[in-house]
Amino acid sequence: QLQLQESGPGLVKPSETLSLTCTVSGGSINSRNFFWAWIRQPPGKGLEWIGSIFYTGNTYYTPSLKSRLTISVDTSKTQFYLELKSVSAADTAVYYCARHPRRSGWFDWGQGTLVTVSS
Amino acid sequence: QSVLTQPPSASGAPGQRVTISCSGNTSNIENNYVYWYRQLPGTAPKLLIYTNDQRPSGVPDRFSGSRSGTSASLAISGLRSEDEADYYCASWDDSLSGRGVFGGGTKLTVL
Repeated sequence: QLQLQESGPGLVKPSETLSLTCTVSGGSINSRNFFWAWIRQPPGKGLEWIGSIFYTGNTYYTPSLKSRLTISVDTSKTQFYLELKSVSAADTAVYYCARHPRRSGWFDWGQGTLVTVSS
Repeated sequence: QSVLTQPPSASGAPGQRVTISCSGNTSNIENNYVYWYRQLPGTAPKLLIYTNDQRPSGVPDRFSGSRSGTSASLAISGLRSEDEADYYCASWDDSLSGRGVFGGGTKLTVL
């Protein structure tokens, strides 16, 4: 059964870079059928799609974060990554990684990890 | 401001039927599939409905989805106390090179 697990620092200082890893197990990250996504949820607020990546490295980013965002993949480690630069308190959220078919909803989710931006 | 519009709250008594609406436009709901998620406090969203009206295995048939034009809805019949949760609609949007979009979420209260 597919499992997704987020990991990374729970606290990031303002203006620094937020870096998270999603480790995929129980399924192939090289699948031609799926994309790998990051989704976030600020405390008490709704869900926001951040971006998605294919195993080849092709990416789709949400326009509002595109200038600060990098999503990458390492198929040898069965991991994909999120880097968000120049963070502020507005980036405080639970960050989820997920799997989805192309241009589709997100079928499988990690448990999420809370990242707080604070000095 | 979410791309898809949901009512912030809904309620119903046990055993009743409630519906939650999700409004979008031609770029998203009308031309792409709709998905529905349920989220309990402190947990990841769980898929309830995919491709407008399909239930994953394990989701009771009390839950049903539909789509018409630029709107979609989730219906829950035989309401139970454990249905109290946040519900989100989602879709893909064809604008701006393509992006995933969510509704703002609806808090369902079982009276």
